[in-house]
Amino acid sequence: GESVGLHLPTLSVQEGDNSIINCAYSNSASDYFIWYKQESGKGPQFIIDIRSNMDKRQGQRVTVLLNKTVKHLSLQIAATQPGDSAVYFCAENPAGTALIFGKGTTLSVSS
Amino acid sequence: NAGVTQTPKFRVLKTGQSMTLLCAQDMNHEYMYWYRQDPGMGLRLIHYSVGEGTTAKGEVPDGYNVSRLKKQNFLLGLESAAPSQTSVYFCASSYVNWDRANYGYTFGSGTRLTVV
Repeated sequence: GESVGLHLPTLSVQEGDNSIINCAYSNSASDYFIWYKQESGKGPQFIIDIRSNMDKRQGQRVTVLLNKTVKHLSLQIAATQPGDSAVYFCAENPAGTALIFGKGTTLSVSS
Repeated sequence: NAGVTQTPKFRVLKTGQSMTLLCAQDMNHEYMYWYRQDPGMGLRLIHYSVGEGTTAKGEVPDGYNVSRLKKQNFLLGLESAAPSQTSVYFCASSYVNWDRANYGYTFGSGTRLTVV
């Protein structure tokens, strides 16, 4: 599958490949993290979240990995489909404050 | 349930005009937020509210004012619009659990504002 280094703005994959989108967060006090998907002309939609006491969490075709040592978060999408084409944002939540969003990665899936 | 509803969806303003963007949520969330989204900049927090009658500044508050007179509504005002405020504006709401994390963070569909 395709993977990227630390935050590239775009990622292009073939249908059926696995995609890995990376994100670095900034606040050591953040204890809750969320991945959002934003399709063109729509608001961000929740994909999956993870608390800081976990290293990995799996959903349907998606997995989030958290490495607190290097403040790194990744989203893995299995068997990427054309419908997965969108902008993906990671967000961190220092306790008691608003979410802080990364700049986003545009995922393009070609069939 | 409608979730978070924003009005209007599109608006064109002339420089110096004023307008108010309305956000309404029906999830009984305590917290509400206004973000702006510009190309390559991600989502930046303008103002937020942790409850009825309270507001606070976010990352980019200049040129905007907000009010939260009712729990379900959060208004964003532009007193004198400038071309730099051309953007897509998103409202969101959430609730805070016992562990102080923001759960149920839900976004509206956005308002596309152009200032000419």
